[in-house]
Amino acid sequence: KQEVTQIPAALSVPEGENLVLNCSFTDSAIYNLQWFRQDPGKGLTSLLLIQSSQREQTSGRLNASLDKSSGRSTLYIAASQPGDSATYLCAVSPGTYKYIFGTGTRLKVLA
Amino acid sequence: ETGVTQSPTHLIKTRGQQVTLRCSSQSGHNTVSWYQQALGQGPQFIFQYYREEENGRGNFPPRFSGLQFPNYSSELNVNALELDDSALYLCASRDRDKETQYFGPGTRLLVL
Repeated sequence: KQEVTQIPAALSVPEGENLVLNCSFTDSAIYNLQWFRQDPGKGLTSLLLIQSSQREQTSGRLNASLDKSSGRSTLYIAASQPGDSATYLCAVSPGTYKYIFGTGTRLKVLA
Repeated sequence: ETGVTQSPTHLIKTRGQQVTLRCSSQSGHNTVSWYQQALGQGPQFIFQYYREEENGRGNFPPRFSGLQFPNYSSELNVNALELDDSALYLCASRDRDKETQYFGPGTRLLVL
């Protein structure tokens, strides 16, 4: 059974700091992995999607890496801003019809 | 804005009642998934519909059921509500040939 774990559960950093969020999964047979952002009480916004054959994806200040063999992914946020404060969720897809989510990392960027 | 809308935004029900939640998919998306997100947890997959047929289901009992309509809008129905059904219910739509899912803002259900 696939399980997704995210560490740390919460993180508070000063503005401008570079930071790394971690995601691990127990079954390396994944189709793809997505990182999402969720603001309080809101839906999810897809940030980056990495196919199982890819090693990383970049969008602006965000970079996500995938090491399928070790069951790990990281989300790197450069030069953090208060607007980056949110919960970040990692999700893996074992096939084409569902995602298995971690419990998220709550990020607070202090001005 | 993702183009996926959900209604209602909030709902309060009592145990044993039935509830219907609605989702309007992003234009051109023929696949819709529903997720349940309890407080402090990640979303849990309930089921997915493609062209009005259920084609994948998570570990949820039969009292959770769904419909998808020809215009690709969909419903989630929950019968015999239990206290543990209190959660944020999210729908997500996508084009079946593409990977990215677009989530709606969710419906927050409270069961008393």
